[in-house]
Amino acid sequence: RKEVEQDPGPFNVPEGATVAFNCTYSNSASQSFFWYRQDCRKEPKLLMSVYSSGNEDGRFTAQLNRASQYISLLIRDSKLSDSATYLCVVIGGPLYNFNKFYFGSGTKLNVKP
Amino acid sequence: EPEVTQTPSHQVTQMGQEVILRCVPISNHLYFYWYRQILGQKVEFLVSFYNNEISEKSEIFDDQFSVERPDGSNFTLKIRSTKLEDSAMYFCASNPSVASGTDTQYFGPGTRLTVL
Repeated sequence: RKEVEQDPGPFNVPEGATVAFNCTYSNSASQSFFWYRQDCRKEPKLLMSVYSSGNEDGRFTAQLNRASQYISLLIRDSKLSDSATYLCVVIGGPLYNFNKFYFGSGTKLNVKP
Repeated sequence: EPEVTQTPSHQVTQMGQEVILRCVPISNHLYFYWYRQILGQKVEFLVSFYNNEISEKSEIFDDQFSVERPDGSNFTLKIRSTKLEDSAMYFCASNPSVASGTDTQYFGPGTRLTVL
């Protein structure tokens, strides 16, 4: 079983749409979770960390469900500039074990005018 | 804003040759990482490095690979005898520390390695 699994997409949505991505992880000991964004042929860049209580940053909302080992990212009012691949990232182990980060294969988002 | 830098941006080499990929992490960071991403595939963890030693490595990181922090600023990845399947983008990343209160990784722009 893969450490982190994501729907590869692509998700093709019109500007202004709301879109949600999901991610599941296999290691129940994992404590830290992130969403990264990767543009074509560029490095991953942190979009947001995911906290147990859920967190919001502008148009982006991240949720964590530990019981189901499931993370989500919601993008509201999507913009053309949101087109990218969204990577779910999990630290593979207990809190503050920074030694191993697992990346999902990414979900591609295309926002169309 | 401080950033992770990597050189070269693109390296072309012949199969069987040794390559060294270089990274300069952010200066006050303590954790360093190498990842690779084969074109069209996911980012794969290779190795993490803390306190001048390897703390974790993946099954990809076999005897052909080694890492070094030769001085206070550089962090290098060496591939001893490159294979065609080593062709990929190699990303370096660094992370401050637990004490910094953040667990964010900062990525360099990558080195594209092409093995012919």
